[in-house]
Amino acid sequence: EVQLLESGGGLVLPGGSLRLSCAASGFTFNNYAMNWVRQAPGKGLDWVSGISFSGGSTYYADSVKGRFTVSRDNSQNTLYLQMNSLRADDTAIYYCAKGGVAVRLLGFDNWGQGTPVTVSS
Amino acid sequence: QSVLTQPPSASGTPGQRVTISCSGSNSNIGTNTGTWYQYLPGTAPKLLIHTNNQRPSGVPDRFSGSKSGTSASLAISGLQSEDEADYFCAAWDDSLNGWVFGGGTKLTVL
Repeated sequence: EVQLLESGGGLVLPGGSLRLSCAASGFTFNNYAMNWVRQAPGKGLDWVSGISFSGGSTYYADSVKGRFTVSRDNSQNTLYLQMNSLRADDTAIYYCAKGGVAVRLLGFDNWGQGTPVTVSS
Repeated sequence: QSVLTQPPSASGTPGQRVTISCSGSNSNIGTNTGTWYQYLPGTAPKLLIHTNNQRPSGVPDRFSGSKSGTSASLAISGLQSEDEADYFCAAWDDSLNGWVFGGGTKLTVL
């Protein structure tokens, strides 16, 4: 059974930083692309970032480009999202989502339960 | 404003068939495949349809997907009360080099 467990969310001041983690199990982690998707209060789903199975290719939504960095440690079956220069509109539940063999394929076939991030003074 | 356009709401009575549309462009649905998700806020979203019309194992065959040109559709037949949820479409966008979602459709089972 695929399991994705996010951690690292919390309350942070505007301009601050957070690092999210996603521990994966139940599948061969280094065979699949991984993604971060968020849902802001009262809003819909919003793709944030994706990373190829090897970590060699990364993709970002325009809203986070230059501020967020996605990475993965295939030896630890863990996905990360380093979030810098956080703004109020980054407030959301952040979900880790398993992709296909490439970031642009399949979509998101398994999701974690999410970790909340609140950016507020 | 979302790149993919969905109606904000849809409704039906138990047993009915409901269709939700998702309108895109040549850079997303027109070139790539559509996916659909069921979402109850606060829970993990669930993939219902990938590659326009393929259901993952465990998804009831009451759910079906289709694509025509730059639009995708999700149909739910034999509507049940537990189908009341938010539904989102998504596709890879070649111009943005990333995934784009629709704004979501809130389905009410009357």
